[in-house]
Amino acid sequence: DTEVTQTPKHLVMGMTNKKSLKCEQHMGHRAMYWYKQKAKKPPELMFVYSYEKLSINESVPSRFSPECPNSSLLNLHLHALQPEDSALYLCASSQDLGEGNTIYFGEGSWLTVV
Amino acid sequence: AQSVTQLDSHVSVSEGTPVLLRCNYSSSYSPSLFWYVQHPNKGLQLLLKYTSAATLVKGINGFEAEFKKSETSFHLTKPSAHMSDAAEYFCVVSEETDSWGKLQFGAGTQVVVTP
Repeated sequence: DTEVTQTPKHLVMGMTNKKSLKCEQHMGHRAMYWYKQKAKKPPELMFVYSYEKLSINESVPSRFSPECPNSSLLNLHLHALQPEDSALYLCASSQDLGEGNTIYFGEGSWLTVV
Repeated sequence: AQSVTQLDSHVSVSEGTPVLLRCNYSSSYSPSLFWYVQHPNKGLQLLLKYTSAATLVKGINGFEAEFKKSETSFHLTKPSAHMSDAAEYFCVVSEETDSWGKLQFGAGTQVVVTP
């Protein structure tokens, strides 16, 4: 069963709020990812975790803070966001980080910053 | 360095007719190639994957793609379009970069299926 579960599906937050997006997979995958997708655009990589350690940070602003509590969970903590941060946030996972690994995506969390 | 070009931003087909989505890539090495589909307000679903085992790759929902190294292409086809095929399609290349396979996405092709 290839499934990545994301909550919440929709989130509206003010620019002074603190909120979190959550992601869970039970496929035994050791790499997990956060992507951001704006309308009509392909996903853009934000963070990569490998074996629960942050491996890649694609120069993402510090108002986005990832966390990997264990091998199945990945969080994205949000604080002091801007309206332009409104987007679809996709979590994904793969068996490992190597080239050729298939990346499986969740349904995404729609974030609106007001 | 790797890059992906999807040659059509929009494709409109009639239900029951063939679908062709074109993708060209550039890569320094032998890449892995993927097609993903994204239905409206949904996440990305893997359609198929090429990893050098066979040049013709069969995927889900009747889709297939052919890897042509000489043309650096990985076009996606389906013999007969269904209304449920209306979606955004992304061609993706994965190449070993700094010890990990970073995905490079094409810009996407929006498929419209008319009755």
